[in-house]
Amino acid sequence: SAVISQKPSRDICQRGTSLTIQCQVDSQVTMMFWYRQQPGQSLTLIATANQGSEATYESGFVIDKFPISRPNLTFSTLTVSNMSPEDSSIYLCGGGLENTEAFFGQGTRLTVV
Amino acid sequence: KQEVTQIPAALSVPEGENLVLNCSFTDSAIYNLQWFRQDPGKGLTSLLLIQSSQREQTSGRLNASLDKSSGRSTLYIAASQPGDSATYLCAVLGATGRRALTFGSGTRLQVQP
Repeated sequence: SAVISQKPSRDICQRGTSLTIQCQVDSQVTMMFWYRQQPGQSLTLIATANQGSEATYESGFVIDKFPISRPNLTFSTLTVSNMSPEDSSIYLCGGGLENTEAFFGQGTRLTVV
Repeated sequence: KQEVTQIPAALSVPEGENLVLNCSFTDSAIYNLQWFRQDPGKGLTSLLLIQSSQREQTSGRLNASLDKSSGRSTLYIAASQPGDSATYLCAVLGATGRRALTFGSGTRLQVQP
């Protein structure tokens, strides 16, 4: 099973600033994705991170607000840009091999003040 | 668009009881279904993965079944313990469209000592 490390684990940020979250997998994975989990809610997919090409975003999420990079098969970043209090949430990175068990990092708890 | 529903939303049981959590999904074109556990403020821990061709999977006191044609899965927990208290999420990996998991809203379980 893969281990996913996510940094930072939590942060408090000023509105209008940006935060980049890093996701490192200890083995190569074909699928990587980013989710948001608002308080008391389930996970909402932001985008799938595609190695060597642009991420595929879900409706309601745009690249300018949530730019994603995936330079190789073990690493991805999500940036939350021009933050507002509505962006306060837990952000989770996940990944796995095609059609196999998916694993998740411990999440980044973001508070925007 | 795939939708995943979990019933009940919350459950409180005395220690030692056997219990069943339910998950249903609207699109039967799936690769697999996965059950996760989430402790408060934490990431997701994978419990069981059922491939679309399988009917059930077992791990210790946990047994998950899958009826793909009817769009249903159940997670059976035997002899529940206070340490089982957590939110349980089911997620499906669709065989068409996006390559990411669609999550249910979860069942919040509390096992009373």
